[in-house]
Amino acid sequence: GENVEQHPSTLSVQEGDSAVIKCTYSDSASNYFPWYKQELGKGPQLIIDIRSNVGEKKDQRIAVTLNKTAKHFSLHITETQPEDSAVYFCAASVKGGSYIPTFGRGTSLIVHP
Amino acid sequence: DTGVSQDPRHKITKRGQNVTFRCDPISEHNRLYWYRQTLGQGPEFLTYFQNEAQLEKSRLLSDRFSAERPKGSFSTLEIQRTEQGDSAMYLCASSLGAFGGSAGELFFGEGSRLTVL
Repeated sequence: GENVEQHPSTLSVQEGDSAVIKCTYSDSASNYFPWYKQELGKGPQLIIDIRSNVGEKKDQRIAVTLNKTAKHFSLHITETQPEDSAVYFCAASVKGGSYIPTFGRGTSLIVHP
Repeated sequence: DTGVSQDPRHKITKRGQNVTFRCDPISEHNRLYWYRQTLGQGPEFLTYFQNEAQLEKSRLLSDRFSAERPKGSFSTLEIQRTEQGDSAMYLCASSLGAFGGSAGELFFGEGSRLTVL
């Protein structure tokens, strides 16, 4: 089955800095890569996703990149704000069919004001 | 509120007791997922339903676990003879499915936290 590795497990930045979280996956059939944000006491919430026919996608301060050859994908957050502090999860799945996302172990992002 | 709701939010039980969690998905969503999350880990897949049919179960779902979605709406997850290792957050999510308008985005509930003493 799919295996998703995520690094780092903890990331501490100053407000205004950029943050980068990296993931790798094992199943070359995976073609859909969502990123979820989980705040304390809440369930994960989708913040951005990317499909395998796209190399990069941006949404305001958030961007994702995908290198399908290397099976790497990354989340980039620019101009971080204290409210960005949360746990971020990457996931990989095969869109269509059973579509069961496999999640990474998460990155705890701490943005210091 | 039209989001995914889970009940109860917290459950403390003694080892050996049975517990049941309920999930009410977003009404028009045909897919419903159960995940388990332990401290410092990402959500781990347990099982999912397409309407009332349970289509896939993880190896994590031992025979003490059973899930149902009797009318394709709400779902229940029952754990029999609980063990301390069952302590975790049990997350429910729903989606329109891989071909739905939101491209299969999972909408998660806030989870049911189980503590087995």
